[in-house]
Amino acid sequence: DSGVTQTPKHLITATGQRVTLRCSPRSGDLSVYWYQQSLDQGLQFLIQYYNGEERAKGNILERFSAQQFPDLHSELNLSSLELGDSALYFCASSAETLTDTQYFGPGTRLTVL
Amino acid sequence: DQQVKQNSPSLSVQEGRISILNCDYTNSMFDYFLWYKKYPAEGPTFLISISSIKDKNEDGRFTVFLNKSAKHLSLHIVPSQPGDSAVYFCAAAGATSGTYKYIFGTGTRLKVLA
Repeated sequence: DSGVTQTPKHLITATGQRVTLRCSPRSGDLSVYWYQQSLDQGLQFLIQYYNGEERAKGNILERFSAQQFPDLHSELNLSSLELGDSALYFCASSAETLTDTQYFGPGTRLTVL
Repeated sequence: DQQVKQNSPSLSVQEGRISILNCDYTNSMFDYFLWYKKYPAEGPTFLISISSIKDKNEDGRFTVFLNKSAKHLSLHIVPSQPGDSAVYFCAAAGATSGTYKYIFGTGTRLKVLA
């Protein structure tokens, strides 16, 4: 158990819909990262937040957005969903910087029908 | 543009022998490298890391080697155990395109045969 929690575990929705994925980091960790893993693909870095502020941005689509709240939990919002958005979405947390070890949550499996 | 490549999608090794997983990168700005292990239905778990100022880091059965001139790193597991069967991701971190971030490879599935 990494200490990072993600909800929900599974999500099935239709094209065009909007969903919110939630992540609670390990106690004391200030940084939260979001990753997408599509079928047969590696982990694609989406975005990082540090203590409530956006710190780094990867291959995140404009239809996707994220935020980190004062209690440090984070939400990833995916809108106008397409079939190709079906993937595993992982959240990770670390103490502070990118060179600190990232601890991953179990992931949310999103299926868009 | 795949900046971090794991060219072997799978690898089978006999129990007790050495497993060698390879990773190549293209961006010389990467200065920190990591290996993660992932079991099915779980998130990746950190294994071992190496800074670009070193060429070797060892932790028990796991050793990571970094060859900066070749832009290549490898993970050696010796002796390999059936419990090591998992997907292994390498990741490189550094300032790229104006921000500091991680880039992961596509993974190598290791199967250790008993």
